[in-house]
Amino acid sequence: EIVLTQSPGTLSLSPGERATLSCRASQSVSSNYLAWYQQKPGQAPRLVIYGASSRATGIPDRFSGSGSGTDFTLTISRLEPEDVAVYFCHQYGGSPLTFGGGTKVEIK
Amino acid sequence: EERLLESGGGLVQPGGSLAVSCAGSGFTFSTYAMSWVRRAPAKGLEWVSGISGSGGSDATFYAKSVKGRFTISRDNSKNTLFLHMTSLSADDTAVYYCTRHPIGCSGGNCYSSYWSYMDVWGKGTTVIVSS
Repeated sequence: EIVLTQSPGTLSLSPGERATLSCRASQSVSSNYLAWYQQKPGQAPRLVIYGASSRATGIPDRFSGSGSGTDFTLTISRLEPEDVAVYFCHQYGGSPLTFGGGTKVEIK
Repeated sequence: EERLLESGGGLVQPGGSLAVSCAGSGFTFSTYAMSWVRRAPAKGLEWVSGISGSGGSDATFYAKSVKGRFTISRDNSKNTLFLHMTSLSADDTAVYYCTRHPIGCSGGNCYSSYWSYMDVWGKGTTVIVSS
């Protein structure tokens, strides 16, 4: 099983700042099959990034994904108040499908 | 609009059983592989079970934590996905989300597979296991 470790646990930034979220895999993720989801309080998760770097439909271009192998990053270039959420990474290159523990993004 | 709507959650005693369902709309339900994902209180997301578009028993997948206790199935004539849960414990307390795996193309073949991310999520149904 591929274990995904996300850091930091919580990220507290001011509006307009850059947010960098990390996801590290215990083994290489096949074909960069890595996705990111955003979950706001009381809502279902929403797909943000798939294939490590492809933005999902309707996601603002301030969100970007990068990385390969075992190290992946989600970047929010200019943090907006509506970006407050927990972000989960997810690998679908190995069985079983697994998720990271999440990074909570807060506004200072 | 493509939508998934879960129902059937509730309070169940330890050792009990419960079935939750998910109605799909706005897309050709039978074309897509589907999965259940849960989130326990103060914890992260956990994939629970997946099923191919055709729904054959040889195309179902389970997490170790639920294998032998949970059964995933679907009725494509009713655009509905099911999860039947037995021998429930407090560890199964969670919000259960119905999810869809998108269609991808490889070598000229296009299909929806469990080996993919989830592009549509339902709002979830809450299962509480407690005496």
